[in-house]
Amino acid sequence: KAGVTQTPRYLIKTRGQQVTLSCSPISGHRSVSWYQQTPGQGLQFLFEYFSETQRNKGNFPGRFSGRQFSNSRSEMNVSTLELGDSALYLCASSSAPTGSGDLNEQFFGPGTRLTVL
Amino acid sequence: AQSVTQPDIHITVSEGASLELRCNYSYGATPYLFWYVQSPGQGLQLLLKYFSGDTLVQGIKGFEAEFKRSQSSFNLRKPSVHWSDAAEYFCAVGIYNQGGKLIFGQGTELSVKP
Repeated sequence: KAGVTQTPRYLIKTRGQQVTLSCSPISGHRSVSWYQQTPGQGLQFLFEYFSETQRNKGNFPGRFSGRQFSNSRSEMNVSTLELGDSALYLCASSSAPTGSGDLNEQFFGPGTRLTVL
Repeated sequence: AQSVTQPDIHITVSEGASLELRCNYSYGATPYLFWYVQSPGQGLQLLLKYFSGDTLVQGIKGFEAEFKRSQSSFNLRKPSVHWSDAAEYFCAVGIYNQGGKLIFGQGTELSVKP
């Protein structure tokens, strides 16, 4: 079974541009979560989607947005990029919403490394 | 507020030696606790999780962790470290109200010397 796929793996943008990152969950998984990882702030939660609905959102400005499609693939978009947006963006999928009774494991992808110049 | 603290930013152990990585959490309710490992250029891999029952949890790759409510701790241990264990380790608490999310500690980088 293929794992979580994130594209692209590496991205270089300049300040003010916008960027779209893509995540394809494990086949059959319907929950996708996004995290930002930086040396200074560590791993921080961005969003969680299940069945095309955003269930939870982290403490990020409105420039960060996301969506999930009917095939469970998810995208996140960052508009008006700032230098501080340089980070590794990780996507995780699970078969059920996070917090389900059996605490379904979240499987993480390799991430997209975004560099903002 | 919920938080996770990993006091050790970097630890170096000799191959074959025992390992303990510390994790303390702050959370008002029953915690759901996780340990993840991240190798360079890789995503996070779940080592083990705890949400109820036996406070000593066994995970993959020979790791175990012990939940101690009185100390708000969930320390990760391994009796004999292998060179391939060199990686960054993250402790996390799961927050499951109005959707779900993980709150991670800052991570502990493990180096293994021959």
